[in-house]
Amino acid sequence: DQQVKQNSPSLSVQEGRISILNCDYTNSMFDYFLWYKKYPAEGPTFLISISSIKDKNEDGRFTVFLNKSAKHLSLHIVPSQPGDSAVYFCAASEGGGGADGLTFGKGTHLIIQP
Amino acid sequence: ETGVTQTPRHLVMGMTNKKSLKCEQHLGHNAMYWYKQSAKKPLELMFVYNFKEQTENNSVPSRFSPECPNSSHLFLHLHTLQPEDSALYLCASSQVMIGQGAGEQYFGPGTRLTVT
Repeated sequence: DQQVKQNSPSLSVQEGRISILNCDYTNSMFDYFLWYKKYPAEGPTFLISISSIKDKNEDGRFTVFLNKSAKHLSLHIVPSQPGDSAVYFCAASEGGGGADGLTFGKGTHLIIQP
Repeated sequence: ETGVTQTPRHLVMGMTNKKSLKCEQHLGHNAMYWYKQSAKKPLELMFVYNFKEQTENNSVPSRFSPECPNSSHLFLHLHTLQPEDSALYLCASSQVMIGQGAGEQYFGPGTRLTVT
């Protein structure tokens, strides 16, 4: 059973507008969440993260929102640029003070149209 | 070299072959990871090494054998693989802070493995 779900396999957004990518999780032990971006033939690149003690984290054009009660997080990209076209993965970990593997969603392919 | 490097980038092997995947991180991190990405599936954690000690084996078959000789190098030894093991194998590293857990993980470009 998937613990991290990205229900939209793809999303198309016009350049300059806001892109909103969504992610849901089922494991209430997750306390650290990350977004990664992946281009073809490359490994995932870390974008932004958020701890469960926060509900928002912002870094430039990227903002991640966390709603713990709904077990939902979202990534907002504004304004969207052509270089943002990539696959975006949501990931989560249980923390706990040691090295923890990440649990990933299947990804959302974001396409920015000119 | 910077970041996380993986060699080879592509590998084709028969089911009776033995091969190894290599990962090296140049970030001074103390934890390293192997992940597998099969077609139409999310990345799946395989192994975790923290300070060179294996701390997690995510129910991976014994035909995959990891080795971590030091905190900068990680190997994945492969033998008698099956065609369904064909996938992208990704290595990652992170810096574990005492009491805080692992931070962001930084990934290599992956090795595309095809088992014939």
